[in-house]
Amino acid sequence: SQQGEEDPQALSIQEGENATMNCSYKTSINNLQWYRQNSGRGLVHLILIRSNEREKHSGRLRVTLDTSKKSSSLLITASRAADTASYFCATDSNDYKLSFGAGTTVTVRA
Amino acid sequence: KAGVTQTPRYLIKTRGQQVTLSCSPISGHRSVSWYQQTPGQGLQFLFEYFSETQRNKGNFPGRFSGRQFSNSRSEMNVSTLELGDSALYLCASSRDRGSTGELFFGEGSRLTVL
Repeated sequence: SQQGEEDPQALSIQEGENATMNCSYKTSINNLQWYRQNSGRGLVHLILIRSNEREKHSGRLRVTLDTSKKSSSLLITASRAADTASYFCATDSNDYKLSFGAGTTVTVRA
Repeated sequence: KAGVTQTPRYLIKTRGQQVTLSCSPISGHRSVSWYQQTPGQGLQFLFEYFSETQRNKGNFPGRFSGRQFSNSRSEMNVSTLELGDSALYLCASSRDRGSTGELFFGEGSRLTVL
């Protein structure tokens, strides 16, 4: 079973626009991570936010974490065609595994 | 620095056969995890190894097994293949796993069961 649920399932935006996706989870976590996957390829780590952090930035990425609501959001600013991919949140509950959400498929139109 | 290497990248098997997938982690990484990815179930955790010890196992039948060697390379085996085992099998490595940091994924082994 999956720990996280992501919303929306799919997102289509124009190049230059921002993309926001949300992740909800069920149990307490040590940290939450976001990964990107290009079609049929391996996952690439984007950013990690610890349970005692509320917001984190990395380049065009901004992640927020609300542990009281058990939710996180990923914002990609000024999107590019190369951002077209599936994005997954993953939670670490200190049990030697990550539990992944179902993912959000983002399409950036030129 | 070489990334995580998985072999083979693609394979086709028939029901009832068995398959062995291999994963070479990034040099210096001692933890190896395996995940199964399917359109219906998404990314499901299979198992995690550290220094040849399995520290966690996902909710998969006993037909799925794995091991890790002293050089941190890992293999997973699926016996008596079923159609539903068709999936992308992803291996990931990390330096350690007290609490999970960043995982580095390979490109995956895509298994098709006919």
